[in-house]
Amino acid sequence: ELKVEQNPLFLSMQEGKNYTIYCNYSTTSDRLYWYRQDPGKSLESLFVLLSNGAVKQEGRLMASLDTKARLSTLHITAAVHDLSATYFCAVGGGADGLTFGKGTHLIIQP
Amino acid sequence: DGGITQSPKYLFRKEGQNVTLSCEQNLNHDAMYWYRQDPGQGLRLIYYSQIVNDFQKGDIAEGYSVSREKKESFPLTVTSAQKNPTAFYLCASKGRVYTEAFFGQGTRLTVV
Repeated sequence: ELKVEQNPLFLSMQEGKNYTIYCNYSTTSDRLYWYRQDPGKSLESLFVLLSNGAVKQEGRLMASLDTKARLSTLHITAAVHDLSATYFCAVGGGADGLTFGKGTHLIIQP
Repeated sequence: DGGITQSPKYLFRKEGQNVTLSCEQNLNHDAMYWYRQDPGQGLRLIYYSQIVNDFQKGDIAEGYSVSREKKESFPLTVTSAQKNPTAFYLCASKGRVYTEAFFGQGTRLTVV
């Protein structure tokens, strides 16, 4: 059974600081996805990582994938309040869908 | 614009009632999914369908039913057998294998 673990599950940080969210998964997969969810809203796709060593960046967010370690990271650079949200990683993406982590609830304070 | 539409946004269910959540997509995607989200939890897969007239149980299918009569539509029925249905329900669709899934805006179901 595929398991996806994120840590931390809750993170409070100050604006301007850097931090990393980790996503570990239990079985071999070379497809990993990051989503953002604002309170009461749906999920928005952030990154699709499709191979070992893949790195993608969008603004202050950068995601990477190490399939040998079964690890993906989401790095936040110089955080701003607008990045406050819950971030999910998900693995799989075959016809039977994605398996999600529990999410990292991120609060960025002035 | 292409997208996924879920309705209603809010739904209230009385004890013993069946209720149906609507999901429609105009992205021409073959695969469609229903997920359930509880507070502080990730998403758990209820049912999925890869083609019309075929669907498979996910991890938490008990108390739910679906149909896939049209490519565009994948309604979810929450039956009275689902004892704890209060949750946020998200519908998603996906095109080619290993592309990302796109989500609807969700339906928040509350038992009253």
